[in-house]
Amino acid sequence: EAQVTQNPRYLITVTGKKLTVTCSQNMNHEYMSWYRQDPGLGLRQIYYSMNVEVTDKGDVPEGYKVSRKEKRNFPLILESPSPNQTSLYFCASSSGLAGWGGETQYFGPGTRLLVL
Amino acid sequence: QKEVEQDPGPLSVPEGAIVSLNCTYSNSAFQYFMWYRQYSRKGPELLMYTYSSGNKEDGRFTAQVDKSSKYISLFIRDSQPSDSATYLCAMSDPSGSARQLTFGSGTQLTVLP
Repeated sequence: EAQVTQNPRYLITVTGKKLTVTCSQNMNHEYMSWYRQDPGLGLRQIYYSMNVEVTDKGDVPEGYKVSRKEKRNFPLILESPSPNQTSLYFCASSSGLAGWGGETQYFGPGTRLLVL
Repeated sequence: QKEVEQDPGPLSVPEGAIVSLNCTYSNSAFQYFMWYRQYSRKGPELLMYTYSSGNKEDGRFTAQVDKSSKYISLFIRDSQPSDSATYLCAMSDPSGSARQLTFGSGTQLTVLP
């Protein structure tokens, strides 16, 4: 089954404790993105990757890091989480730039993060 | 001002009603327009996709784009309880950076049986 998986699905942590949210896709997609979803603000892109070892900032990259060492995996790293990073996070992948020529972006199930 | 504005709702309608969901945008470079549906506790999924101005129909769903007014709409005919979800508009500028999509904030829809 074609899918994007994220782990963990739920996470409660404390300010400053480094954490990693994993993302994996089994569709051999080149493009992967991380979004955060907050009430009233919709989905905002944090980082995206166009291929292995190629990443770039989205709209809200501050406080986040990513890496793309393998095509299927795109982990999101919070080196020193703060309460304003409490949010719902989604990983997504697509074979081309999402929205170009009808490319579909597939989303993972989401990771709900609470930073105390 | 946000690039994409969407009425957050919530919107509640009886089963069988026609639903109209709308977004306005400010970036005239947007060329691709999408509607995503997000069920509770799930990730968004692509529902409809259109390029530039015009209409596109898919079953009970019709997407309209009016670039002159910078306004897009999604119509749902004969709405069903299974249509209850949050609907997100999204759009992209193919001439810009490799950033992907700009999303609206979403409209929460409930269809009452």
